[in-house]
Parts: sequence; structure tokens; C-alpha cells
Amino acid sequence: DQQVKQNSPSLSVQEGRISILNCDYTNSMFDYFLWYKKYPAEGPTFLISISSIKDKNEDGRFTVFLNKSAKHLSLHIVPSQPGDSAVYFCAATNAGNNRKLIWGLGTSLAVNP
Amino acid sequence: DGGITQSPKYLFRKEGQNVTLSCEQNLNHDAMYWYRQDPGQGLRLIYYSQIVNDFQKGDIAEGYSVSREKKESFPLTVTSAQKNPTAFYLCASSTATGIRSPLHFGNGTRLTVT
Repeated sequence: DQQVKQNSPSLSVQEGRISILNCDYTNSMFDYFLWYKKYPAEGPTFLISISSIKDKNEDGRFTVFLNKSAKHLSLHIVPSQPGDSAVYFCAATNAGNNRKLIWGLGTSLAVNP
Repeated sequence: DGGITQSPKYLFRKEGQNVTLSCEQNLNHDAMYWYRQDPGQGLRLIYYSQIVNDFQKGDIAEGYSVSREKKESFPLTVTSAQKNPTAFYLCASSTATGIRSPLHFGNGTRLTVT
């Protein structure tokens, strides 16, 4: 059973516009969420995270929003740039699972010039 | 530059042979991890180690073995007991297993077993 779901396998946006990547989770015990970015033939790199005590965390062009009641988080990229084209993974964790990360399947973002 | 080095990038083996994937880090991280990625699936944890000479099974440890004799190194052996060894293998490290320690990944090894 997929505890972290990224229901959109792919997303295409125009350069300069907003990219919104979504992630849903089923385990209400998750208390920390992370987004990773992955280019082809490379390992994922950490992008941004959010604790369950917050509903928003911002870092430059990247903002993550958390809606605990809906068990939903989203990553906003504004403005989108061609270099943002990559696969984005959502991951979640909690103290009860020894802080092991549970990963979504990823969303492939294409930013078109 | 500090980082994680996985070698080789591509590896080919015959079925029935054991194969060892290398992972070295110079980040002075205590914790190291091995993940496997298959098409259409998320990253799945094989083994992890929080400290030298200690490691724990992840979610899919069957058919794999690891060692952690040095802080910098965490090699993964894919044994002949692993039913579907062909995959993309990622090694990662972090300062600790706490929540504020994001994983740093290597660039992966693509293993093909025929």
C-alpha cells in the first residue's frame, strides 16, 4: 500500500509560470516531509522540507505547503525555469518508523522555454 | 569537493554471480543507506547503518548483504539469492538519522544481470 502518493506522473509548464507538484499521504503519524529533485543518471538532491507543526516553508523560488487535515502537501516553484526540469520526489517520515523515509513515485516536471 | 562516490556507474553480471557495489563518502557522515529504484516504483530501502560496525535491514534486505568496517565506506553485495537484481542502486548518507538530516545521494549504479 502506497503511503505517499504522487498522483501525477508528469507535469508540463511554461517558463516563468508556476509549477505545482502535489503529494498525498495516508499515515497521520508522519510528522516531517521532504522534497527531493532528481536529474537523469544522478542521485536525488534535497530541495526543501517542512515539519508538521508548520503549514508553509519557503526557500527562494520554492515553497512547500502542508494541509494536515487533508493529508496533502504541495511544492510550488515560482517562476519555473528550464533548469527545474527533473523528477521531484515527495518523502515522509515519523519518529515511530525510526525516521526511515517513505517515498512517493515521483513527478516528472518539464519546463518549456 | 565532499560527496558520495558510487562505482561503477554501470555493472553487468551473469545470473548466479555475487556482485559488490561500492559506496564511499568523504562528508564525515555517520549514517549511510542503500536504496533500490525500479521503474514505476519509489525508492526502497535495502539496508542502513547508523554507525561503524552496525547496520539494520531495510524493507527489502533479502538477497543483499552489507558491511560497515569504516565510516567512509558502505559496500553492498547483491547475492545470487536476490530474485530480481537488475535495478538502479543508490547510496546515501546523512549526519544522523534525525529528521533534520537530509540524505545526500551518490549518482547511482545501474546493475544489469542476465
